[in-house]
Amino acid sequence: DVKVTQSSRYLVKRTGEKVFLECVQDMDHENMFWYRQDPGLGLRLIYFSYDVKMKEKGDIPEGYSVSREKKERFSLILESASTNQTSMYLCASREGSLARCTFGSGTRLTVV
Amino acid sequence: SQQGEEDPQALSIQEGENATMNCSYKTSINNLQWYRQNSGRGLVHLILIRSNEREKHSGRLRVTLDTSKKSSSLLITASRAADTASYFCAALNQAGTALIFGKGTTLSVSS
Repeated sequence: DVKVTQSSRYLVKRTGEKVFLECVQDMDHENMFWYRQDPGLGLRLIYFSYDVKMKEKGDIPEGYSVSREKKERFSLILESASTNQTSMYLCASREGSLARCTFGSGTRLTVV
Repeated sequence: SQQGEEDPQALSIQEGENATMNCSYKTSINNLQWYRQNSGRGLVHLILIRSNEREKHSGRLRVTLDTSKKSSSLLITASRAADTASYFCAALNQAGTALIFGKGTTLSVSS
């Protein structure tokens, strides 16, 4: 069965820390995505990648960066965590432009 | 840049009843997708309907698409307590590069 794995289910970090959220997919998908989900706001796209070392900004990229050194791994980086980045972070991958997305289980990040 | 907007925001029904959720979107689409999310978990793909299709079925799910009205509906028939979840519609952004999701409909099915 195809799988997208997010390294942590729950994470607590301090303000100002550099935070890495890892996502790995085993489907050889080209496209990978990071969303954040907040109550009342739904899912918002942070960054996505359509190939190794390629990245595109989504709707809310401020305060985040990403890294895709290998096809199967897409990392989201919070350069200096702030309390307003407390959220649920969801990683997804997709084979082609019209195909469905497969999501990881999510990482609930709390910044204190 | 929200592409889909679900309606209603919340829906409470009894087991055995049907649940209907609606989605309106803004731009032209190649397909529209519906996802389900159990509390605190990732999203699971339910069904995809292409722009040249008007209706699609999958088990107890029925999806309709009206491209002239830029709207879609998801019908869950004979609902069960296990259907309790949030449901999202999604369509590609204008650049065609990423799925943009609505805010979702929270469905609660009580036994």
